[in-house]
Amino acid sequence: NAGVTQTPKFQVLKTGQSMTLQCAQDMNHEYMSWYRQDPGMGLRLIHYSVGAGITDQGEVPNGYNVSRSTTEDFPLRLLSAAPSQTSVYFCASSQTQGAKDTQYFGPGTRLTVL
Amino acid sequence: GQQVMQIPQYQHVQEGEDFTTYCNSSTTLSNIQWYKQRPGGHPVFLIQLVKSGEVKKQKRLTFQFGEAKKNSSLHITATQTTDVGTYFCACPTGANNLFFGTGTRLTVIP
Repeated sequence: NAGVTQTPKFQVLKTGQSMTLQCAQDMNHEYMSWYRQDPGMGLRLIHYSVGAGITDQGEVPNGYNVSRSTTEDFPLRLLSAAPSQTSVYFCASSQTQGAKDTQYFGPGTRLTVL
Repeated sequence: GQQVMQIPQYQHVQEGEDFTTYCNSSTTLSNIQWYKQRPGGHPVFLIQLVKSGEVKKQKRLTFQFGEAKKNSSLHITATQTTDVGTYFCACPTGANNLFFGTGTRLTVIP
């Protein structure tokens, strides 16, 4: 099992550009989520999904879109990148919804917006 | 919304010294999880505590859940350089997701 994979590992964008961060898991997990990590602020939940076709907003959803067309994939789209979106992005998955289940994190995408 | 406060934010210890990080909530928690993130890495699950007063050990790591289920601690005995990283606690939100504390960054001086 590859676990949770994320691409790309690094990305530099200019303000206003759009892009998609990819996340995939091969553990047949129902729950997937996206977090951003900024210095001194821990991990903040952006969006999550409890299964294919179902997504919902987390703590900091503005400027991001998600979709879940398959169990395996959960891409995160930045619609119009802003410098405030410079961060490290982690995708995570678990068998069931997050609060009582082990979260498996991907290696992260380090995004810089100029 | 649900949140937990984690202290200290940073801790520097000499190798061989003990280390403790604390996680405090204003409300009763159903459970709490702990994760470790090595520098440049991703969070990795360590343990989950569910019962009031629960104590669990993993080698040199001891995890405690308070009697009132409002606080938790992680204690490392005789730190080693391999313990370097940031330790996060995480607790449930009203929407049944996880809210992560701000973490404690541990530096171990050889």
